[in-house]
Amino acid sequence: RKEVEQDPGPFNVPEGATVAFNCTYSNSASQSFFWYRQDCRKEPKLLMSVYSSGNEDGRFTAQLNRASQYISLLIRDSKLSDSATYLCVVKSGGFKTIFGAGTRLFVKA
Amino acid sequence: SQTIHQWPATLVQPVGSPLSLECTVEGTSNPNLYWYRQAAGRGLQLLFYSVGIGQISSEVPQNLSASRPQDRQFILSSKKLLLSDSGFYLCAWTPGQSSEKLFFGSGTQLSVL
Repeated sequence: RKEVEQDPGPFNVPEGATVAFNCTYSNSASQSFFWYRQDCRKEPKLLMSVYSSGNEDGRFTAQLNRASQYISLLIRDSKLSDSATYLCVVKSGGFKTIFGAGTRLFVKA
Repeated sequence: SQTIHQWPATLVQPVGSPLSLECTVEGTSNPNLYWYRQAAGRGLQLLFYSVGIGQISSEVPQNLSASRPQDRQFILSSKKLLLSDSGFYLCAWTPGQSSEKLFFGSGTQLSVL
């Protein structure tokens, strides 16, 4: 089993749609959780951290379920510019940061 | 502000040739430095990390090596490239172990032919 698993997609959605991605992780001792965004052939960039209480940043909402060991990202009112690959990232302490393979999103006009 | 520079952006090398990728960080001191590789359609794999000059930890056995000759310089090398070394190589830094967020360089797309 992979340490961090994501549905690779792609998710094809129209502009204005709401889309949700899930991610599961295997290490129950994981401490920190993030979503990164990666455009094609570019470096990943931090989108948002994920907190146990859930957190929101504009159109983006992230949630963490420690009991079920999954993380989610919700994007509301999708924009064309949201098209990218979204990476689920889990840190288990020390230097061990595990990246999921990513979920591809295409937002179409 | 802190910046990270990585070069070259793309590289095409024949099998058996040597490799040297360089990464430098500006605007900070004593960063933790990392080399990741991303194969097509796969997640980022941590190759090496360094907490200080001359201190290198390897995460996976491979055909590559890393060095940190200066505080803010991290180099990825190979004496003889293999086809399987092809991929997108990313340098990253964090201010320290307690810092959780990784900041990446712009990456090097390496094609070994």
